[in-house]
Amino acid sequence: NAGVTQTPKFRVLKTGQSMTLLCAQDMNHEYMYWYRQDPGMGLRLIHYSVGEGTTAKGEVPDGYNVSRLKKQNFLLGLESAAPSQTSVYFCASGRNTEAFFGQGTRLTVV
Amino acid sequence: SQELEQSPQSLIVQEGKNLTINCTSSKTLYGLYWYKQKYGEGLIFLMMLQKGGEEKSHEKITAKLDEKKQQSSLHITASQPSHAGIYLCGVHMEYGNKLVFGAGTILRVKS
Repeated sequence: NAGVTQTPKFRVLKTGQSMTLLCAQDMNHEYMYWYRQDPGMGLRLIHYSVGEGTTAKGEVPDGYNVSRLKKQNFLLGLESAAPSQTSVYFCASGRNTEAFFGQGTRLTVV
Repeated sequence: SQELEQSPQSLIVQEGKNLTINCTSSKTLYGLYWYKQKYGEGLIFLMMLQKGGEEKSHEKITAKLDEKKQQSSLHITASQPSHAGIYLCGVHMEYGNKLVFGAGTILRVKS
């Protein structure tokens, strides 16, 4: 059982480049979330989805876009990467009584 | 999240000692999660509390949600080096809504 899978695991981008992070879950969860983790700041919610075809803004949505075309996938896009977006990104999926995380994507923007 | 406060920010304990980490909100919570994270790795789900007064245990870790559902404490008995890491609490502020987290507590256990 794969659980929550994030791809890629590592990426280095140049300022201004774009990329998409993929999160896939095989637990038939309704809710999916994207977070970024920076030293001393815990996990900050970027965007989330409560079902297929729906998305909503979290605490730090600027500079990111998301899509949930299929229930099992939640994509996070960076249209024009900035050094401030250097971080570790985590995806999670769940329902009201559980939430499981992927292993993270370490993104560096130079 | 600004709505959620976790304390202490960091903690160093001698192996074998007990410790407590707190997670406090100014609003009623609809669900509270505790996770553990080892440095550079993903988050491991420990437990989830929903009902006021609820208490759950996972090995030597016990967590409780207070009656008003605004504060949770996580207690580790007889700490071991394997307990070291970052402990994070996450909450649903509204039913079926976004899941937000505290800043985390860094735990170090000295042998």
